[in-house]
Amino acid sequence: SQKIEQNSEALNIQEGKTATLTCNYTNYSPAYLQWYRQDPGRGPVFLLLIRENEKEKRKERLKVTFDTTLKQSLFHITASQPADSATYLCALLGGSYIPTFGRGTSLIVHP
Amino acid sequence: DVKVTQSSRYLVKRTGEKVFLECVQDMDHENMFWYRQDPGLGLRLIYFSYDVKMKEKGDIPEGYSVSREKKERFSLILESASTNQTSMYLCASKAPGQGTRVNEQYFGPGTRLTVT
Repeated sequence: SQKIEQNSEALNIQEGKTATLTCNYTNYSPAYLQWYRQDPGRGPVFLLLIRENEKEKRKERLKVTFDTTLKQSLFHITASQPADSATYLCALLGGSYIPTFGRGTSLIVHP
Repeated sequence: DVKVTQSSRYLVKRTGEKVFLECVQDMDHENMFWYRQDPGLGLRLIYFSYDVKMKEKGDIPEGYSVSREKKERFSLILESASTNQTSMYLCASKAPGQGTRVNEQYFGPGTRLTVT
């Protein structure tokens, strides 16, 4: 069955450092991959989309990579700030355009 | 800005009660979704709808039904609430993906339902 893995342990980093979150998947060949941010008690908010034929996508301090050979996406936040603390979800999409979400990884940025 | 609203932020119901969760979006989106989110299990799709009066089962439809009588409104119904339906319920909407166009989902704030 399809499986999406995100690190269940929280990632703790110091302000100013680069945060790197991982999304691995198996038994799936997604055409697209999305990343969302979710704050406690709120719904997820879309951040970035990357297509299978794109290796890398950037938006301000965010960078996403998509390696279909490794079946992995990496999500980077450079110059991290305490306001970046949240849970980050990856979502995989095939031709139906209906996303399947990972469980998310919590990021805590310490001042 | 797209806005997705849900009728309640917090709801407490008793076992066996019929529960209605309402979701409204203001962007004329065709697609609407209901998820539940539980610690350690992530977001799981209950039902979705491509258009008015259309509905499709998601991954965990058992114990739930939905209604979409108007394009902007998508309701989730728990016919007879049970304690294992205590969860955070999230509604989302999105414009349809066409060709290589993939659109993001817009989520509501969620309803935290407790069934006692």
